[in-house]
Amino acid sequence: EAGVAQSPRYKIIEKRQSVAFWCNPISGHATLYWYQQILGQGPKLLIQFQNNGVVDDSQLPKDRFSAERLKGVDSTLKIQPAKLEDSAVYLCASSTGLAVEQYFGPGTRLTVT
Amino acid sequence: KNEVEQSPQNLTAQEGEFITINCSYSVGISALHWLQQHPGGGIVSLFMLSSGKKKHGRLIATINIQEKHSSLHITASHPRDSAVYICAVMPGNQFYFGTGTSLTVIP
Repeated sequence: EAGVAQSPRYKIIEKRQSVAFWCNPISGHATLYWYQQILGQGPKLLIQFQNNGVVDDSQLPKDRFSAERLKGVDSTLKIQPAKLEDSAVYLCASSTGLAVEQYFGPGTRLTVT
Repeated sequence: KNEVEQSPQNLTAQEGEFITINCSYSVGISALHWLQQHPGGGIVSLFMLSSGKKKHGRLIATINIQEKHSSLHITASHPRDSAVYICAVMPGNQFYFGTGTSLTVIP
């Protein structure tokens, strides 16, 4: 079974630039999560989708972050414009439903200079 | 206030030692996860438990729901166990993560 795929693995941008991350969850997984993990901290949930609907985006900085999962499969997370404090690893995870085990992708390490 | 507290934050052990990592939480939960994160960012789920004890190879996880406490034990530790171990709890549909315990096992 293929795991959660993410791309790119690494990205370096200057502040005020835009960036987009892509996630392909495990086939058949209805629930998809985007997390932000700042160095030395645990992951923080940014947004949670159930199929193509948003379950929780309470911690998503909506002035600069956006995410979509249009067909209920792949998802993209965008930052526009980026700030220095956005430097982090962005993790995508998927699960078969709510409140069950999650499977994580390898993450995208973003550096904002 | 962090709903999940882990201890210790950092741990260095000699190969072969028995290791214990602790997790305390302050909310009612439906399940608790132990996750392993290697350098480079990838996270692997080790255990999901809601009561009692689970064992997988050299890893053992226990949980005491009444005391809101869980422990992860590693027997006969090995350098390849070096990683960050993260405790995550599920009060509902969302995960709350601890900040992780960084383990280094020295040969």
